[in-house]
Amino acid sequence: DGGITQSPKYLFRKEGQNVTLSCEQNLNHDAMYWYRQDPGQGLRLIYYSQIVNDFQKGDIAEGYSVSREKKESFPLTVTSAQKNPTAFYLCASRGNGGPYSNQPQHFGDGTRLSIL
Amino acid sequence: AQSVSQHNHHVILSEAASLELGCNYSYGGTVNLFWYVQYPGQHLQLLLKYFSGDPLVKGIKGFEAEFIKSKFSFNLRKPSVQWSDTAEYFCATMTGTASKLTFGTGTRLQVTL
Repeated sequence: DGGITQSPKYLFRKEGQNVTLSCEQNLNHDAMYWYRQDPGQGLRLIYYSQIVNDFQKGDIAEGYSVSREKKESFPLTVTSAQKNPTAFYLCASRGNGGPYSNQPQHFGDGTRLSIL
Repeated sequence: AQSVSQHNHHVILSEAASLELGCNYSYGGTVNLFWYVQYPGQHLQLLLKYFSGDPLVKGIKGFEAEFIKSKFSFNLRKPSVQWSDTAEYFCATMTGTASKLTFGTGTRLQVTL
């Protein structure tokens, strides 16, 4: 079945450590997104990528980095510079159709990151 | 910058009660509007979407939403809720060439038997 796979489901980070969250999709979607979900704050956009080898900062990119070397993959690294990384991280992808495409975004199951 | 407001943070209803969840957005141009639902332990799923045309949009599981441009609103409704509707509901707008989503803070719906 086509879909978005995020791994791991749970991740623990020590102080000063970088961790990488995986996001893979087999939907052949060009665009991919990373969101952070905190209680009472909804989802906030961290980074997005509309095409391979290109990505843009979202609203809360500080302390995070991404890469988009393959269409299927959009890993997110939470760096030690992110002072409050404990959150639920959601990856999404969007169907193709051009820059003004009204295709909805499809979401993965998420990764819950906690600080040890 | 765009913003989306969901004024009901936590709603508790009995089964068979009617539901209306409020959503207001700030963007004055053309917007695409969505309601997503997150059931406990599950991923975010699309309930319904509005792009253009009939302002009354029907989604899955008996949900509907009405786009009222003059009020910048896109409220979600269901005539009779079920216990299985217990979930968190997010309103979102999509704008721009990158089709970025801006989410509201979410409304947690609890349906009691």
